[in-house]
Amino acid sequence: EIVLTQSPGTLSLSPGERATLSCRASQSVSSSYFAWYQQKPGQAPRLLIYGASSRATGIPDRFSGSGSGTDFTLTITRLEPEDVAEYYCQQYGSSLWTFGQGTKVEIK
Amino acid sequence: EVQLLESGGGLVQPGGSLRVSCVASGFTFGNYAMSWVRQAPGKGLEWVSGISASGDGTPYADSVKGRFIISRDNYKDTLFLQMNSLRAEDTAVYYCAKHGSGKAFDIWGQGTMVTVSS
Repeated sequence: EIVLTQSPGTLSLSPGERATLSCRASQSVSSSYFAWYQQKPGQAPRLLIYGASSRATGIPDRFSGSGSGTDFTLTITRLEPEDVAEYYCQQYGSSLWTFGQGTKVEIK
Repeated sequence: EVQLLESGGGLVQPGGSLRVSCVASGFTFGNYAMSWVRQAPGKGLEWVSGISASGDGTPYADSVKGRFIISRDNYKDTLFLQMNSLRAEDTAVYYCAKHGSGKAFDIWGQGTMVTVSS
């Protein structure tokens, strides 16, 4: 089973700052099957990025994804108060899906 | 509006069984693979099981293999998860999710809470 490790555990930034979230896989994964999700408190997760770098429908362009192989990044340019949430990476391979443990984004 | 609505959660004793359901609307349910994802209180997301559009492919996470059964009724636009031999560690909110591009989960339900406790 491929293990996804996210860092940092918590990210505390001021509004307008750039947030960089990392996800590292225990072995190489297909970029085509790599995604990022946002989950706000008390809500269901929401798809942000699929295929490592494609934004889902309705996602603002301040969210972007990049990476390949074992290292992937979610970037939030110009952090806004509404971006406070837990963020999860996900991969698919060998008929199984796995999630990272999450990164919490806070506003200072 | 594309929507998924789960139901059937509740309190069950260890060793017991429960079936949760997910009704889809706003899209052609039978054209899409689906999954169940759970989230224990205060914890992260865990994929539980998936099912192909036709129902002939049903992978499971090791943590539930042999105890849970996923199924679907494409005539009733409904996804099911039959949970047997339940354990305390199965306590979680159970979400159903629609598969989209790149096998990502593009639509999620609001979740149904399952509590396993005596």
